[in-house]
Amino acid sequence: GDSVTQMEGPVTLSEEAFLTINCTYTATGYPSLFWYVQYPGEGLQLLLKATKADDKGSNKGFEATYRKETTSFHLEKGSVQVSDSAVYFCALTSRMSGGSNYKLTFGKGTLLTVNP
Amino acid sequence: DSGVTQTPKHLITATGQRVTLRCSPRSGDLSVYWYQQSLDQGLQFLIHYYNGEERAKGNILERFSAQQFPDLHSELNLSSLELGDSALYFCASSVGGGGIAEAFFGQGTRLTVV
Repeated sequence: GDSVTQMEGPVTLSEEAFLTINCTYTATGYPSLFWYVQYPGEGLQLLLKATKADDKGSNKGFEATYRKETTSFHLEKGSVQVSDSAVYFCALTSRMSGGSNYKLTFGKGTLLTVNP
Repeated sequence: DSGVTQTPKHLITATGQRVTLRCSPRSGDLSVYWYQQSLDQGLQFLIHYYNGEERAKGNILERFSAQQFPDLHSELNLSSLELGDSALYFCASSVGGGGIAEAFFGQGTRLTVV
């Protein structure tokens, strides 16, 4: 079935460092791709999304480009802040077998810690 | 604030017991999704309801059941609880039914089975 693989981490960076969190996927058809962020003690929040190949999603300085040829959707940020410390989840829409319904399939999450 | 409300935030109960988790979706959203988050399994899709009807089932155990009421709130019922059921249970809502555009998540209910 459809799946998402992301680097497991944890990732520890100093403030203002460059961030990359790798995400690759396996899917039939043309999924939409998402990055969600989970701050400590909170639920998941949508960070950015891309719905077709070569689309770039961006929000709060984070970016990710939908690369169909490499089935990837890597998350990047040029200069991280302490407030970016959180768990980041890569996800895709995945069609349920036998119907027209979809669900979000998540990667296992990557814990990012940014030190001052 | 996502607009999705889950109650209670924390729940501690004994093995063999039954609990009910509640979710109120964002205003106007017809779809409710339930997810289980545990350290070993990550985020697992459990079940999806749209406008009161079950639309899709994921990795939901037979001991678990859910429903969505006419006012669109949803309840997840967990029975004959086992230690391994300890996890964070998230509810998410979205506008559509057949295709999930983007989901808005509640803060979750942390269930501890002792």
